[in-house]
Amino acid sequence: DAMVIQNPRYQVTQFGKPVTLSCSQTLNHNVMYWYQQKSSQAPKLLFHYYDKDFNNEADTPDNFQSRRPNTSFCFLDIRSPGLGDAAMYLCATSRDLESLLQYFGPGTRLTVT
Amino acid sequence: AQTVTQSQPEMSVQEAETVTLSCTYDTSESDYYLFWYKQPPSRQMILVIRQEAYKQQNATENRFSVNFQKAAKSFSLKISDSQLGDAAMYFCAYRSANTGNQFYFGTGTSLTVIP
Repeated sequence: DAMVIQNPRYQVTQFGKPVTLSCSQTLNHNVMYWYQQKSSQAPKLLFHYYDKDFNNEADTPDNFQSRRPNTSFCFLDIRSPGLGDAAMYLCATSRDLESLLQYFGPGTRLTVT
Repeated sequence: AQTVTQSQPEMSVQEAETVTLSCTYDTSESDYYLFWYKQPPSRQMILVIRQEAYKQQNATENRFSVNFQKAAKSFSLKISDSQLGDAAMYFCAYRSANTGNQFYFGTGTSLTVIP
């Protein structure tokens, strides 16, 4: 059974056109994370939610926003995608902030044309 | 910030043979956790094995084992009796035990298993 689901798996958007990526989880975990993974690079944490508390990494561009309307869903909004934002975006969850286990979704590959 | 280095972008191994993937990290902390994650093509990343820094004994999970050298800040993954299903990208990761919950990942090693 899928535990962390990301939709769509592949997304194409135009330069400057807002795009939203979706993540849902069936684990009832308190924490949800968004990572950006560019080709041949390590996954980089953008931000995370602990319940409704939003925690932004210091170097995450303002172009990236997130919403978590309920426990199950978390969205990544890219307000004005640039060519440099093309990447794989990974969603992950953990039961709480102290948990050592993160459960990853399959990722959404974003292409910017 | 902590850094994690995987110096082997690509590795290959013959089926049924053993392969070792390297990972080094840089930290000033004494208490932390280390992980190896596997990311098969077009599939999600899953945890393979983890090691607590305070434990001297190397972690083992079936065919997967680690060689943890704390003084050298080295954390290699050994895969024994390699199988075709082991082909994937492998990421080494670090997490502090005390300061925050962020995982720091290496750039990954792509493992090919040759039949």
